[in-house]
Amino acid sequence: GAVVSQHPSRVICKSGTSVKIECRSLDFQATTMFWYRQFPKQSLMLMATSNEGSKATYEQGVEKDKFLINHASLTLSTLTVTSAHPEDSSFYICSARGGTGPRVTFGSGTRLTVV
Amino acid sequence: DQQVKQNSPSLSVQEGRISILNCDYTNSMFDYFLWYKKYPAEGPTFLISISSIKDKNEDGRFTVFLNKSAKHLSLHIVPSQPGDSAVYFCAAQKAAGNKLTFGGGTRVLVKP
Repeated sequence: GAVVSQHPSRVICKSGTSVKIECRSLDFQATTMFWYRQFPKQSLMLMATSNEGSKATYEQGVEKDKFLINHASLTLSTLTVTSAHPEDSSFYICSARGGTGPRVTFGSGTRLTVV
Repeated sequence: DQQVKQNSPSLSVQEGRISILNCDYTNSMFDYFLWYKKYPAEGPTFLISISSIKDKNEDGRFTVFLNKSAKHLSLHIVPSQPGDSAVYFCAAQKAAGNKLTFGGGTRVLVKP
């Protein structure tokens, strides 16, 4: 149980375009999902907390107008990187809590390359 | 301010021996601590967690020890297997299921 699916796994886009990443909880309902990013050989940094039916909560230093988060249902959250630039190239990972306890399940991640 | 730290960026261990990964934290308000294993280009996989009111939790080959007074925890893997080679992240959490604060990770290499 507690499977999180993330798509696409890999995307290459041109500078200035927008990219949407989907995160789905397959066998549970997730009122809250989390979006992280990881630069090469670095740790995972929380970008924002996605709340179903309400606005996302962004971490300090994360541009909410650049990283649009929508959590329209209990099983789907999307992250849209708007007007992408090469410095946005990174590994983006979503996660959600399924059930009780502290365990948080992660998606498989999306490698974004902006050229 | 890095609230969760893993001071050893890498660890090499012989197959069959014990792997010990360390993690330190600064925020005494953390309620849970979790360990995740991560392969390149994949999401982290949950290994084991411990509540701040416990000092030990064991699950198969994985044991986590918590020293709350020292704000230190460790993950023991025994016996280590080649498939354990990965990056291991320590993470801390305020309230169950809440956002995670990650350490920098420790790359483990298990040699056959």
